[in-house]
Amino acid sequence: EAQVTQNPRYLITVTGKKLTVTCSQNMNHEYMSWYRQDPGLGLRQIYYSMNVEVTDKGDVPEGYKVSRKEKRNFPLILESPSPNQTSLYFCASSPGEDTQYFGPGTRLTVL
Amino acid sequence: GDSVTQMEGPVTLSEEAFLTINCTYTATGYPSLFWYVQYPGEGLQLLLKATKADDKGSNKGFEATYRKETTSFHLEKGSVQVSDSAVYFCALSQGNQGGKLIFGQGTELSVKP
Repeated sequence: EAQVTQNPRYLITVTGKKLTVTCSQNMNHEYMSWYRQDPGLGLRQIYYSMNVEVTDKGDVPEGYKVSRKEKRNFPLILESPSPNQTSLYFCASSPGEDTQYFGPGTRLTVL
Repeated sequence: GDSVTQMEGPVTLSEEAFLTINCTYTATGYPSLFWYVQYPGEGLQLLLKATKADDKGSNKGFEATYRKETTSFHLEKGSVQVSDSAVYFCALSQGNQGGKLIFGQGTELSVKP
């Protein structure tokens, strides 16, 4: 089944404790992105990647890192999480600059 | 910069009622327009899209027409079902930044039996 998977689905952590949210897609898509969803704001792009080893900032990149060492994986790294990063995070992939396919989401709470 | 504005929710309808969710956008050029749907506890799924002016996207009884003159992409369905209860997002893409989508704030739809 073609899909985008994320882990964990739920995470509660404390300020400053480094964490990684994994994302993997099995559709051989070139493009991958991370978004965060906040009430009243819709989804906003954090980072994106157009190929292996090619990543760039989206609209809200502060406090986040990403890497793209393999085509299928695109982890999101929070080196020192803060409470304002409490949010619902979605990974997405696409075969080009068109329709994006979203993962199920990761709900992160930073205390 | 580019932006998308949707009607505020929540929208509550009875089963078989007519649905309209308004969406307008501000953008340069000719973006592609999308409607995504998010069912409770799930990720976003593409509902329909249109890539040029006057195109009509349709899927599962939902329709939306790309209106360049009014910069709108309103979502409609003639007869909603309880299973249509979800959050609906209007979005645009300029085809840059890895296909970045610019989303509206989402409209929650609740359909009662």
